[in-house]
Amino acid sequence: DTGVSQNPRHKITKRGQNVTFRCDPISEHNRLYWYRQTLGQGPEFLTYFQNEAQLEKSRLLSDRFSAERPKGSFSTLEIQRTEQGDSAMYLCASSTDRGGEAFFGQGTRLTVV
Amino acid sequence: AQSVTQLGSHVSVSEGALVLLRCNYSSSVPPYLFWYVQYPNQGLQLLLKYTSAATLVKGINGFEAEFKKSETSFHLTKPSAHMSDAAEYFCAVSAPRGSYIPTFGRGTSLIVHP
Repeated sequence: DTGVSQNPRHKITKRGQNVTFRCDPISEHNRLYWYRQTLGQGPEFLTYFQNEAQLEKSRLLSDRFSAERPKGSFSTLEIQRTEQGDSAMYLCASSTDRGGEAFFGQGTRLTVV
Repeated sequence: AQSVTQLGSHVSVSEGALVLLRCNYSSSVPPYLFWYVQYPNQGLQLLLKYTSAATLVKGINGFEAEFKKSETSFHLTKPSAHMSDAAEYFCAVSAPRGSYIPTFGRGTSLIVHP
């Protein structure tokens, strides 16, 4: 068990470009969460998958954001036409069906210039 | 819906002093509660969790927290602060069934002075 893995760790992009982040959860975890964290704030929920089904999305997830989890394994989060306000740490977490704690990855820090 | 409020965005203590970080929760059902720690440019690491078993929960690195239903609180304590405890601490709440989506507080930055 290598924990939750996120790639890349850092991404700098120009405004208007598209970016995609990847999350590999702990292998036996079928629940996967995406969060966004800005400086000085706690993580804010974006979206949740159970296996390959996206079951819940936050109002923070605008139309420019899309997340997928094909085959219920890794997940991707894509941001289209990035804006400076998208600059944040994007965190992925996974957990089992039994509830309890979510295990977090190291995050992907996005900077939009 | 669940929410947490962390009182104090910054807490400053001397090395060796008691650490007390406050968290109050709001939940329509008996909650699951968590404390996580975050070091700069890192993800979140679980310190401890309450999932309706013992109300006094012991975690890693000498931290513990007590679930008090009457006060809707889940404060984090450590008897003696160490320099390595300096970090950001987050309290989180989730429902005990369904999606289990954790909802986080705004965090408390712990500063430890030598």
